[in-house]
Amino acid sequence: NIVLTQSPASLAVILGQKATISCTASESVNKFGINLMHWYQQKPGQLPKILIYNEFSRAPGIPARFSGDEAELNFTLTIEPVEADDVATYYCQQGLTFPLTFGSGTKLEIK
Amino acid sequence: QVQLQQSGAELAKPGSSVKISCKASGYTFTSYAMHWIKQTTGQALEWTGYIAPGSGGTKYNEKFKGKATLTVDKSSSTAYMQLSSLTPVDTAVYYCARSTAWGYFDYWGQGVMVTVSS
Repeated sequence: NIVLTQSPASLAVILGQKATISCTASESVNKFGINLMHWYQQKPGQLPKILIYNEFSRAPGIPARFSGDEAELNFTLTIEPVEADDVATYYCQQGLTFPLTFGSGTKLEIK
Repeated sequence: QVQLQQSGAELAKPGSSVKISCKASGYTFTSYAMHWIKQTTGQALEWTGYIAPGSGGTKYNEKFKGKATLTVDKSSSTAYMQLSSLTPVDTAVYYCARSTAWGYFDYWGQGVMVTVSS
């Protein structure tokens, strides 16, 4: 199984500053040159919502403040500038092989 | 618009079974795989399995084989997950979610809270 190690578990960021969340895959999630790594936002009491798919593509309606990147199996979600509405838990997920797996989540708070 | 409407919360006794539903609307039901995802109160998300509504073909997470059974009713565009031999460990919110060809979930149901308690 592909293990996704997500860090940090929690993160407190000042409004307007940058938040960076990391997700390291235990093996490649690449298919035909596309990294099948996806990011979700789950606000308290709500269902998860897709933010970024295929490493860096923003889902419809997601602002440019959210971006995805990758370097050597280490995937990052960056939020800049952070807004109060971004308080949520963020999860990475790989879509390459079964079982589909998720990271353990990063809880973002405002400092 | 795409909607996945799940059934209501369940309270079940240990050893019993529950069957939860996910009614799809706003798209061609047989064109997208339907997945089920477990979320415990500790927030972890676990993929349970998926069903291809057109063929009825299924794929399960090994961890949930024998625990979850996925079926569909094409006539009502509804997917079902039956959970059997329930134990307190099965207490969680269960989401249905539609997947794209890239393996991400673009639409989710609102979730069903299943509580297993004597």
